[in-house]
Amino acid sequence: GQQLNQSPQSMFIQEGEDVSMNCTSSSIFNTWLWYKQDPGEGPVLLIALYKAGELTSNGRLTAQFGITRKDSFLNISASIPSDVGIYFCAGRLDSNYQLIWGAGTKLIIKP
Amino acid sequence: DTGVSQDPRHKITKRGQNVTFRCDPISEHNRLYWYRQTLGQGPEFLTYFQNEAQLEKSRLLSDRFSAERPKGSFSTLEIQRTEQGDSAMYLCASSPAGTGNEQYFGPGTRLTVT
Repeated sequence: GQQLNQSPQSMFIQEGEDVSMNCTSSSIFNTWLWYKQDPGEGPVLLIALYKAGELTSNGRLTAQFGITRKDSFLNISASIPSDVGIYFCAGRLDSNYQLIWGAGTKLIIKP
Repeated sequence: DTGVSQDPRHKITKRGQNVTFRCDPISEHNRLYWYRQTLGQGPEFLTYFQNEAQLEKSRLLSDRFSAERPKGSFSTLEIQRTEQGDSAMYLCASSPAGTGNEQYFGPGTRLTVT
């Protein structure tokens, strides 16, 4: 089963607001990835993180690899309508190539 | 288009029938992964290939499931004697040689077993 806790489960925000979501794990990961998935499509890679403490940006998205290696955060600044979708975190343990996935954060922008 | 492609995008089948899905990875990627995703969940790992070798299989992959990557390029996932519980999105991903961290996904095949 999944070992990542992703929160919040869903978010209702106004266009232009900033968004924050996070994932925590009881295990230490050596990689954190953040994906976005639109309905009926596969996940699209947004940001990859490889070092504890690393802060990486991709446009309006910023993600951080937690110092303890057990958590990661994704922030979206000044949200726009095309940001709606489900955001997944995924982490990789030292021991194998499998990705462990969170259950997703559904982002909904209020009209 | 150099992304991961999957065929078909949708498949409706009757319980007990066999189905086969195809995945074409990004051409220079030597690693290929299959995942299953149900509504409201993240993808669940099924199996992984490095070139033509199947290196890892999840215990989710029952005996009715088989995957191949005969020439280290495209891969097929076959489900025999489908059950209603097999209804899900089947996702394929590929990653380049090296650490294999960054996996790039195809659009998925949506399977509905009636």
